[in-house]
Amino acid sequence: DIQMTQSPASLSASLGETVTIQCRASEDIYSGLAWYQQKPGKSPQLLIYGASSLQDGVPSRFSGSGSGTQYSLKISSMQTEDEGVYFCQQGLKYPFTFGSGTKLEIK
Amino acid sequence: EVQLQESGPGLVKPSQSLSLTCSVTGYSITSNYWGWIRKFPGNKMEWMGYISYSGSTSYNPSLKSRISITRDTSKNQFFLQLNSVTTEDTATYYCARYYYSGDYFDYWGQGVMVTVSS
Repeated sequence: DIQMTQSPASLSASLGETVTIQCRASEDIYSGLAWYQQKPGKSPQLLIYGASSLQDGVPSRFSGSGSGTQYSLKISSMQTEDEGVYFCQQGLKYPFTFGSGTKLEIK
Repeated sequence: EVQLQESGPGLVKPSQSLSLTCSVTGYSITSNYWGWIRKFPGNKMEWMGYISYSGSTSYNPSLKSRISITRDTSKNQFFLQLNSVTTEDTATYYCARYYYSGDYFDYWGQGVMVTVSS
């Protein structure tokens, strides 16, 4: 299985701060990576697919980048509503696998 | 708008079978792929498997022969059965649409918490 190592496990950010979350795959996943946001008591919401494509309706302050085994999610200006847990997921090979999650809080 | 809704018992006894239903509205399950994902306490997420528009299935090998995903196209529902459950299967179970061309899950149900306990 492809292992997805996500970091950091948690972080706190001030309003307006830029936040970056990293995801490393155990092998090349050729940009087959998605990012999700999950708020307490809610289901995961797709933010980014194909490593860098923004899902419809997602604010433009979210962006994704990376290639090969290294990927990142950036929030350019932290907002209160961005609190939650963020997951990466690879869809290149079966079984699809997820990162361990990053809990993002407002400082 | 595509909507998914899980339903099923919230408590299952060890060694018994866990059975969940995902009801889909706004989109036909005879198109695309439809999967089950679970989230364990502590945030670990696991893809369990999916059923395709044609009825073919793919499962996570970690679940070996315990899992079965089926569907009823007349009701636009698909189902999860997980046999011989243990306390390790305690999790929140989500159904989701898997967009095959893009390798991601774009619509999710709200999730159902299932506890395995005697």
